[in-house]
Order: sequence, then C-alpha cells, then structure tokens
Amino acid sequence: AQSVTQPDIHITVSEGASLELRCNYSYGATPYLFWYVQSPGQGLQLLLKYFSGDTLVQGIKGFEAEFKRSQSSFNLRKPSVHWSDAAEYFCAVVSTGGGNKLTFGTGTQLKVEL
Amino acid sequence: DSGVTQTPKHLITATGQRVTLRCSPRSGDLSVYWYQQSLDQGLQFLIQYYNGEERAKGNILERFSAQQFPDLHSELNLSSLELGDSALYFCASSDGGRFEQYFGPGTRLTVT
Repeated sequence: AQSVTQPDIHITVSEGASLELRCNYSYGATPYLFWYVQSPGQGLQLLLKYFSGDTLVQGIKGFEAEFKRSQSSFNLRKPSVHWSDAAEYFCAVVSTGGGNKLTFGTGTQLKVEL
Repeated sequence: DSGVTQTPKHLITATGQRVTLRCSPRSGDLSVYWYQQSLDQGLQFLIQYYNGEERAKGNILERFSAQQFPDLHSELNLSSLELGDSALYFCASSDGGRFEQYFGPGTRLTVT
C-alpha cells in the first residue's frame, strides 16, 4: 500500500531564510504527488502537484518541489520564507486503484521567527 | 476560496446523537471525497462518491454513512456518536478526469 512519510514534525526558520520540507513516499508505480498547506482553522489549500514530466514543479505562493525517483522523495522548497507561511504542510500521494483517495503524511508544522 | 462549501462550520453534540454534515462541490466536479482529521489519526480518507455512486471506501466506521445527491452535493451522516468521533471533517471535490482535490473549510465536530 502506498504511504507518505514526513520526517520533520516541527520546523522553525527565520523570516527571509530558505525552507525545505521533506517528504518520502512508498508507491509501486509512478506516483501522483501533492503538497497542501493548512493555516490555523482553515481547510487544505493545494500548493502544487506532480504527475509526470519535469521533476521540478512550481506552485503557488513561491513554492516549488522536486521529484526524485531514486530517493523516493518530493521535497518542498521556498527560497525566502515570509511570516505568513507559518502553517502546517502536508504531503500526499493519490491511489489510483479503485477511486482516487489521497494518502497524507503526518504533516510538518512550520514556525517562522521574525 | 476553493469553491467547495461545507456546513455547518461547527457542531457540538452529545454522545449517542446523530448529525449530518453537508458538502457542495466545486461547480462541474463530479467526485466528492470525505476525510477525517484528528490529532491521533491525522488525515484519513473515509469515502468517495462519483456522480452519485460510491467509488471507494476507506476507514469509515459502520456508524457513518454518506450519499451524493443528483445535484452532486453530498452528506455525511454520523450516528451513535462517541467522544472519539470529535474531529475536523473535510469534504473535497475533483473533476472526474483529474487527480487534484480541492478541499472545503471543514466542519469541526465536538462530541461531549
């Protein structure tokens, strides 16, 4: 069965610093991967997605992610973090066998220090 | 704003009661998904409907049921509620031919 691991539960960065959030997946075929962000009291907003093709994908809010098949990773990056980026970030993989459910990682809580 | 709406935003009820959560998908989306988010279980897939038919089932309890109506809105019914059912319940929708899902703001259920 497919699974997603986010090894970092909490990350703190200074405003203006670069950010990398890690995500590792376990999936037999080519995965369809996503990053979502959840601000306090809010729903999940789709940041970016990877289906195939170019392994570096761009998303909203200045985020990007790189798919590395050899490392089974799909890490999220941002060159310069803003205080408003403080939120919880979820990596997810879609299962295409019998429906398209999302399997989520446990999330990484990002704190931004001013 | 994702275009997915959920009502109510908050719900407080007692153990043993039954509640109904409602979701309206984005215009044109045929698939509706329900997810539960709790501190101990994280985000868990419950059930998917596509154009009125059940498409996939996850870790959904027998006390829970869902349906999708001809106008494509969906309802999640939770009965014989227990304290452990307290959670945030999300609805998401997608176009039938695409994989990305768009989430509503959620319904926070508190069982006392």
